[in-house]
Amino acid sequence: QVQLVESGGGWVKPGGSLRLSCAASGFTFSDYYMSWVRQAPGKGLEWVSYISSTGNSIFYADSVKGRFTISRDNAKTSLYLQMNSLRVEDTAVYYCARFGRGYQSPLDYWGQGTLVTVSS
Amino acid sequence: SYELTQSPSVSVSPGQTASITCSGDKLGGTYASWYQQRPGQSPVLVIYQNTQRPPGIPERFSGSNSGNTATLTISGTQALDEADYYCQAWDSNTILFGGGTKLTVL
Repeated sequence: QVQLVESGGGWVKPGGSLRLSCAASGFTFSDYYMSWVRQAPGKGLEWVSYISSTGNSIFYADSVKGRFTISRDNAKTSLYLQMNSLRVEDTAVYYCARFGRGYQSPLDYWGQGTLVTVSS
Repeated sequence: SYELTQSPSVSVSPGQTASITCSGDKLGGTYASWYQQRPGQSPVLVIYQNTQRPPGIPERFSGSNSGNTATLTISGTQALDEADYYCQAWDSNTILFGGGTKLTVL
């Protein structure tokens, strides 16, 4: 079965950096687009970034553009999110999610999330 | 990009039908998806491509999309359907989420 397991969350001071990882299993990772979605405490879902199956196409939300970098290693079936210049407002649970196949595909599988806390 | 707007809350009695709406200027020309998020859990896809249910999602969940409004309908609502529901759509190369609707089953 499809499994997505995030790791790397924790506490960091404003201006600091953190790298999140998502280990994927149960499907052919290299065939699927992948995404990061976050949820601030008590708030709704916010899309962060996504990456194509080969890594050649990458898009970011305006709120993280220039500070976050998404990447993937298909050999290791892993997705990453490098987060730099972190701000208090980046505090959230970060979910790794897989896109389904086809045009305007939905996010059909989600990980359990990893909490990032940015605070002084 | 445009915004997706949802009512913050909807209440329904057990066994009745709940309707949750999502509005957006360009929503009628794109596919809408819906996610259920129970407290403390990750989101789960319940409707995609406006009307399609993923495997394992009960038939009481259905969806529609007309004009600028997408609707998630839960027929014969059960207590376990109490959750937050989020609509989602694509806008060019970005992903949009609605603000979420808290469904309370009274």
